[in-house]
Formats: sequence, structure tokens, C-alpha cells
Amino acid sequence: AQSVTQLGSHVSVSEGALVLLRCNYSSSVPPYLFWYVQYPNQGLQLLLKYTTGATLVKGINGFEAEFKKSETSFHLTKPSAHMSDAAEYFCAVNQGGKLIFGQGTELSVKP
Amino acid sequence: NAGVTQTPKFQVLKTGQSMTLQCAQDMNHNSMYWYRQDPGMGLRLIYYSASEGTTDKGEVPNGYNVSRLNKREFSLRLESAAPSQTSVYFCASSFGGVTGELFFGEGSRLTVL
Repeated sequence: AQSVTQLGSHVSVSEGALVLLRCNYSSSVPPYLFWYVQYPNQGLQLLLKYTTGATLVKGINGFEAEFKKSETSFHLTKPSAHMSDAAEYFCAVNQGGKLIFGQGTELSVKP
Repeated sequence: NAGVTQTPKFQVLKTGQSMTLQCAQDMNHNSMYWYRQDPGMGLRLIYYSASEGTTDKGEVPNGYNVSRLNKREFSLRLESAAPSQTSVYFCASSFGGVTGELFFGEGSRLTVL
């Protein structure tokens, strides 16, 4: 079975600093990987996804992620954090049409 | 655009009571899903329906039943609620397949006393 592991349940950065949220996957076949964001008291919305092709994927709100097969990783980055980025972020892998989620990482942004 | 609509948004139950969470989507999606979200555990799949007329168990199906009423609607039923079912429940839908994006409702917060 495929799975994802997010390292760090909580990450805190200063406004303007680099955001790095880590995700590693376990899959015996080429994975289809996703990052979702959840703002307080809302549902999840898609940030970006990797299916095939270019390994550097750009998403909404200035986020991007790089698929690294050799490291089985799909880390999410943003060069400069904004206060509005404070939210919970979930990495997910598609397993036979179903999304299997990681445990989530809560991002705090300090002024 | 309504997207995915869940009702009710909040519910308090006593142990042993039953209830049904309703979900409807207006995007003509084939697949629908029910997840529960608990602190530190991410989202866990309860049941899903790959297409109208089919349902399958996910990671945590015990204590739940589902009905895919038609292409638009997918309900989740708790026959005898337990405190362990206190959670936030999310319905989602997609066109299906391995690359399809899931669209989520805003969630239903359930407390079982």
C-alpha cells in the first residue's frame, strides 16, 4: 500500500522567511502526489499536484514542490512566507483513485 | 457555485443515537468520498464511491454505512454513535482516476457525548 509521511506536525517561520514542509512517500509504483491546504474552519483545497512530466511543480499562492524519486520526497516550498499562509498543509498520494493523506503540518507565520 | 455541500455543519449526539450526514455535489463528478479528520491523524478515508451504484470501504469503515443515492448525493450514516466517532467529517468528490483532484465540502463537526 502507498503512504505518505510528513515530517514535523508544526512548523513556525517568520514573515518573509523560506517555507519548507517535508513529505516522503512510500510507493512501489510511480506515485501521483498532491499538496492540499486547509484554512481554519474550512475544507481542503488543492495547492498543486504531480502526475507525470516535469518534476518541479508550481501551484497557487507562490508554492511549489519538487518530486525527487531518488529521495522518495515531495517537499513543499515557498520563498517568502506571508501571514496569510498560516494554515494546515497535507501531503497525499493517490492509491487506486483514492487519496491517502499524511498527518498534516500546521504552519505558523510570525510577524 | 455550490460545489460540495454538506449538512448539517454541527451536530451533538448522545451515545447510541443514530444520524445521517448528507453530501451533494453539483460538478457532475463520478466519485465521492467520506473522510474523518482527527488531530494529529490527518484525514482518514471512511468509505468511497468510485461511481454511481458502487461503494467500497476505506481505512476506517467500522461503525459507518453509506448510500450513493444518485450521482449527486452520497450519505454517511452512524447507526449507533460512540464517543470515538467524535470528529470532523468531510465529503469530497472528483472525476475519479489517479490524477483527479478532490473537491471538499466545508465539513461537519460531530460530537458524541
